[in-house]
Amino acid sequence: KNQVEQSPQSLIILEGKNCTLQCNYTVSPFSNLRWYKQDTGRGPVSLTIMTFSENTKSNGRYTATLDADTKQSSLHITASQLSDSASYICVAQRETDSWGKFQFGAGTQVVVTP
Amino acid sequence: DAGVTQSPTHLIKTRGQQVTLRCSPKSGHDTVSWYQQALGQGPQFIFQYYEEEERQRGNFPDRFSGHQFPNYSSELNVNALLLGDSALYLCASSPSGVDEQFFGPGTRLTVL
Repeated sequence: KNQVEQSPQSLIILEGKNCTLQCNYTVSPFSNLRWYKQDTGRGPVSLTIMTFSENTKSNGRYTATLDADTKQSSLHITASQLSDSASYICVAQRETDSWGKFQFGAGTQVVVTP
Repeated sequence: DAGVTQSPTHLIKTRGQQVTLRCSPKSGHDTVSWYQQALGQGPQFIFQYYEEEERQRGNFPDRFSGHQFPNYSSELNVNALLLGDSALYLCASSPSGVDEQFFGPGTRLTVL
């Protein structure tokens, strides 16, 4: 069973609008959570990384939140732009994991329309 | 700095054939990891190379093998290709001891 579940699987939003993506994880003991943006046919690019003690982290128009108690994270995109169209992947890491054991979610496909 | 580069960009093979994918890490990075990403899925870890040795391996069969060269570049070899091997193959590099990895653009492999 995948230890990182993302929702929704996909969404379509109008340019200029906001949206929120969800990530639920079960990895334990939890170390950190990352959000990546992956353009179609390209490699993932890191957006944010949060440890269990951090509640929020911003990167421009992207704001990630983390609730380590409920094991939930969200990624909020403000004032969406056409260039935000991409897959957004949540990655959870256990304390004892090295990179190879990271748990990747399946991603949320975001389409921003004019 | 060229970042992580991969070649070829696209590749089409038939079942039973063998394929070699190549990766050049970001300058200063000595650790290279390979991932398989099926359509609509997150990346799945294949293996990681450091100091020309396979350091970790994911849940992939022995048909998947790799190599790292003294200049830290790496190859991924897949033998006896199956239709299910069709995917985007990603290479990621990092300096040793650092968690953050930088991904290449990937190689799209199609097996017919």
